[in-house]
Amino acid sequence: NAGVTQTPKFQVLKTGQSMTLQCAQDMNHNSMYWYRQDPGMGLRLIYYSASEGTTDKGEVPNGYNVSRLNKREFSLRLESAAPSQTSVYFCASSGGLYSNQPQHFGDGTRLSIL
Amino acid sequence: AQSVTQLDSQVPVFEEAPVELRCNYSSSVSVYLFWYVQYPNQGLQLLLKYLSGSTLVESINGFEAEFNKSQTSFHLRKPSVHISDTAEYFCAVSGGAAGGYNKLIFGAGTRLAVHP
Repeated sequence: NAGVTQTPKFQVLKTGQSMTLQCAQDMNHNSMYWYRQDPGMGLRLIYYSASEGTTDKGEVPNGYNVSRLNKREFSLRLESAAPSQTSVYFCASSGGLYSNQPQHFGDGTRLSIL
Repeated sequence: AQSVTQLDSQVPVFEEAPVELRCNYSSSVSVYLFWYVQYPNQGLQLLLKYLSGSTLVESINGFEAEFNKSQTSFHLRKPSVHISDTAEYFCAVSGGAAGGYNKLIFGAGTRLAVHP
């Protein structure tokens, strides 16, 4: 099983360019999440989607937008990339918005903004 | 607000030695606790979880963690590590919010380096 698939795996952008990170899950999960990982800071939640048709801000949403395209897909968009957005981005999914359900992660997208 | 503190950013250890990765959390309500492992250039994988019941939980590859409510800790241990255990380990907490929203709060991570 593929689980959570993220594309692309690597990307280099120039400041001011826009880009969409794609995420798809094949586990029939209701909830999906976007995190960024920075050295020494663990993972921080950018946006999440409780179920198809809903999205909400997480801890660090500024500079990002999301779209829950359908139950399987949840994309993250950088409208005008900034060097501070250089990071590793992870998509995750879980059965639902219940605290006892573990999240399943993709392999990440490594994004560099020059 | 909930928070997670991993007390060691790096832990070097020799192969076959025991190891303990420390995790403390703060929360005013009941929580669920998780350990995730991240191998180089990969995503996070669930290692083990505490939801309820026995305070000692085990993984399939020999790790165990003990939930200590009085000390608000969830330390991860392995009696004998292998080179293949080299990875970054993240402690995470969730739960307690009204409605049980699954918002995971992560620690900063502990990098375990196993040397031959």
